[in-house]
Amino acid sequence: NAGVTQTPKFRILKIGQSMTLQCTQDMNHNYMYWYRQDPGMGLKLIYYSVGAGITDKGEVPNGYNVSRSTTEDFPLRLELAAPSQTSVYFCASSRGQGGDTQYFGPGTRLTVL
Amino acid sequence: GENVEQHPSTLSVQEGDSAVIKCTYSDSASNYFPWYKQELGKGPQLIIDIRSNVGEKKDQRIAVTLNKTAKHFSLHITETQPEDSAVYFCAATYNFNKFYFGSGTKLNVKP
Repeated sequence: NAGVTQTPKFRILKIGQSMTLQCTQDMNHNYMYWYRQDPGMGLKLIYYSVGAGITDKGEVPNGYNVSRSTTEDFPLRLELAAPSQTSVYFCASSRGQGGDTQYFGPGTRLTVL
Repeated sequence: GENVEQHPSTLSVQEGDSAVIKCTYSDSASNYFPWYKQELGKGPQLIIDIRSNVGEKKDQRIAVTLNKTAKHFSLHITETQPEDSAVYFCAATYNFNKFYFGSGTKLNVKP
């Protein structure tokens, strides 16, 4: 199993540009999550999904959108990128309630200039 | 929502010594508390977890204790080794939908 994979690893955006961060898991996990990690800080939840077709907001959803059309994929969309979105983004997955913990991808480092 | 505070932010120990990292949480409904280790340039990786019906859990050199009354939990690493150097995060959740993370502890183990 590859686990949780994320692409791209690095990206530089200009203010106002848009992009999609890709996340795929091959563990047949129901739950998937997107976090951002600012320098020297913990992880903040952006969005999460408890299954295909179901998504909900986390702590810091503004400026982002998600979709979950399949169990495996959970892309994160940034519209109108702003410098405040410069961060490292982690995708994670888990079996869900009563199950085990989250398994994280390697992260995407995004810089908005 | 839940608020998780983690201390200290940095910790430096001599190889072979013990290290203790503490977290407090605010929501008494939280019932699952994982600890993650994050190495430079990588995603967090689970090292140990504890559920609210257990007071202590141990896995070789790593242990976690939970005090539900005081709403705090701690990570204990004994006989530290240089490869233990990393950033450690605690987290809390009550429904596995939302995990709330502490701000992290950078552990440096000096050889």
